Amino acid sequence: EDQVTQSPEALRLQEGESSSLNCSYTVSGLRGLFWYRQDPGKGPEFLFTLYSAGEEKEKERLKATLTKKESFLHITAPKPEDSATYLCAVLLPDTGRRALTFGSGTRLQVQP
Amino acid sequence: KAGVTQTPRYLIKTRGQQVTLSCSPISGHRSVSWYQQTPGQGLQFLFEYFSETQRNKGNFPGRFSGRQFSNSRSEMNVSTLELGDSALYLCASSRSSGSSDEQFFGPGTRLTVL
Repeated sequence: EDQVTQSPEALRLQEGESSSLNCSYTVSGLRGLFWYRQDPGKGPEFLFTLYSAGEEKEKERLKATLTKKESFLHITAPKPEDSATYLCAVLLPDTGRRALTFGSGTRLQVQP
Repeated sequence: KAGVTQTPRYLIKTRGQQVTLSCSPISGHRSVSWYQQTPGQGLQFLFEYFSETQRNKGNFPGRFSGRQFSNSRSEMNVSTLELGDSALYLCASSRSSGSSDEQFFGPGTRLTVL
């Protein structure tokens, strides 16, 4: 069964303490992996799309990487405003083009 | 550029009632998808509309339905509400129906069923 698993479920960091969030997937023929950030009471905010193993994308303190079995979201020198839930999602090969399958998310808290 | 808008933002209904939620996509976007988010099941795909046609449907009962208008605005309807339908309903729009297009989410409609 196709699955998307995120770890850890929750992560507490001190400001400036770099770390990585993991998204592992068991999907044949991945058509795309997406990272989103979600603040409480709001809709997910798009961060990155990755399509092939070895691909990397960066935005400010965030860097997303992709291998054949997992993706990492690296957070460098995080600030309190980076606190949010980070979601990854995949496009499965047998579903419609827009049917994203989401992981359960990682709740990140960055303390000053 | 205005983002995806959803109305209403909050709704309280009782079991057995029906509800209609509305979504206006980003200008120029023609694809609209709906998702349900609950603490237990997370984000789950409901359906997608493109050019007024439903292109794909998730694993939800027939009580959940939707439509899209010629201006790309979309509505979803839930009939005979159940307690388990309490959730945040999210709408996402994208420029076309190509898989390479990012989906941009609205703020959601928080539905509470009593």
